[in-house]
Amino acid sequence: KQEVTQIPAALSVPEGENLVLNCSFTDSAIYNLQWFRQDPGKGLTSLLLIQSSQREQTSGRLNASLDKSSGRSTLYIAASQPGDSATYLCAVTADRGSTLGRLYFGRGTQLTVWP
Amino acid sequence: DAEITQSPRHKITETGRQVTLACHQTWNHNNMFWYRQDLGHGLRLIHYSYGVQDTNKGEVSDGYSVSRSNTEDLPLTLESAASSQTSVYFCASSPVEYGETQYFGPGTRLLVL
Repeated sequence: KQEVTQIPAALSVPEGENLVLNCSFTDSAIYNLQWFRQDPGKGLTSLLLIQSSQREQTSGRLNASLDKSSGRSTLYIAASQPGDSATYLCAVTADRGSTLGRLYFGRGTQLTVWP
Repeated sequence: DAEITQSPRHKITETGRQVTLACHQTWNHNNMFWYRQDLGHGLRLIHYSYGVQDTNKGEVSDGYSVSRSNTEDLPLTLESAASSQTSVYFCASSPVEYGETQYFGPGTRLLVL
């Protein structure tokens, strides 16, 4: 069974810092990996999606990398802002059999950026 | 604009009652999913559907059921609510093509007393 782990569970940084969130997964047979953002009391919003054949994706100040063979992904946030405060979730999509298309989530990293 | 909605947004019920949570999407997506989110467990898949009349059990399906009579809706029913089912429930949808992201609803907070 696919297990997704995120480290750290919580992170508090001053505004302007560059930071890295980590995600690892146990089964490298994935279709893609996604990073989501969740604000308190809200649903999930997709930030970046990396296909299994890709190494990284960028969107503005966000950069996500994927090392499928080692089962690792990182989300890099440049020049963090208070508005980046949220929980960041990593999820992998299964690519085989009856679980094709299903997402497996990590528990998230709760990020606080203070002014 | 296309969207995915859930209702009610908040619900309080008593142990043993039947509860139905609604999910409606206007993207015409074939795939729909129900998750629950709890502290210490993250998001866990309850049931999912890959099209009309198709339903499948996820990892925490006991005590829940779904039915898919049309493309737009996937209601989630708690047959006999239990306190362990107090949680936040999220519905999501995605196109039939793999490699697309899932789009999530705003969630329903359910409290079972």
